[in-house]
Amino acid sequence: DADVTQTPRNRITKTGKRIMLECSQTKGHDRMYWYRQDPGLGLRLIYYSFDVKDINKGEISDGYSVSRQAQAKFSLSLESAIPNQTALYFCATQGQGARYEQFFGPGTRLTVL
Amino acid sequence: AQTVTQSQPEMSVQEAETVTLSCTYDTSESDYYLFWYKQPPSRQMILVIRQEAYKQQNATENRFSVNFQKAAKSFSLKISDSQLGDAAMYFCAYRSRNFNKFYFGSGTKLNVKP
Repeated sequence: DADVTQTPRNRITKTGKRIMLECSQTKGHDRMYWYRQDPGLGLRLIYYSFDVKDINKGEISDGYSVSRQAQAKFSLSLESAIPNQTALYFCATQGQGARYEQFFGPGTRLTVL
Repeated sequence: AQTVTQSQPEMSVQEAETVTLSCTYDTSESDYYLFWYKQPPSRQMILVIRQEAYKQQNATENRFSVNFQKAAKSFSLKISDSQLGDAAMYFCAYRSRNFNKFYFGSGTKLNVKP
């Protein structure tokens, strides 16, 4: 079974709809992240969380919100989706220690019409 | 914030040959970590190799190696004996030792020709 899972894998929605993307992990990591990937821009950080009570904005948090329901679950919401939020969204986790890499989920392809 | 630059949006290499992907970064820190990730068409992000800035020796992982030039703030990835399965997007990433955020470059798409 995958260590980091994301649901749904693909989603098409309409402008103005509320969307929730979910992320779960079995790695036991405290640190969790949400990124969006756009062609030519790489991955940009939306929100990150170091534990259930510690949530921080990333570089592009406007239009997004998050919820850390438990150590293993971190959800990303688009309250009112707009077309320029069409992107590939990744959840990632990271273990303690400076040398550790981030582990990524399989991504969610979101299209806002 | 740190910036990571990958100046080659796309590259091509013949199967079995060697290719080098470039990455530069901007930082005032002395202690940090650098990573290369591979993203094949499956979209999964896969760690290829990491380099600790305090280590002078370049990291290697089988056919993958890096050329880390700390003074020049350069971190290139060399792929030897390229295989069709190496075709993917490659992202360079920077992480400060004291902060838990990664900064990613814009990516280089690698095509491998049979």
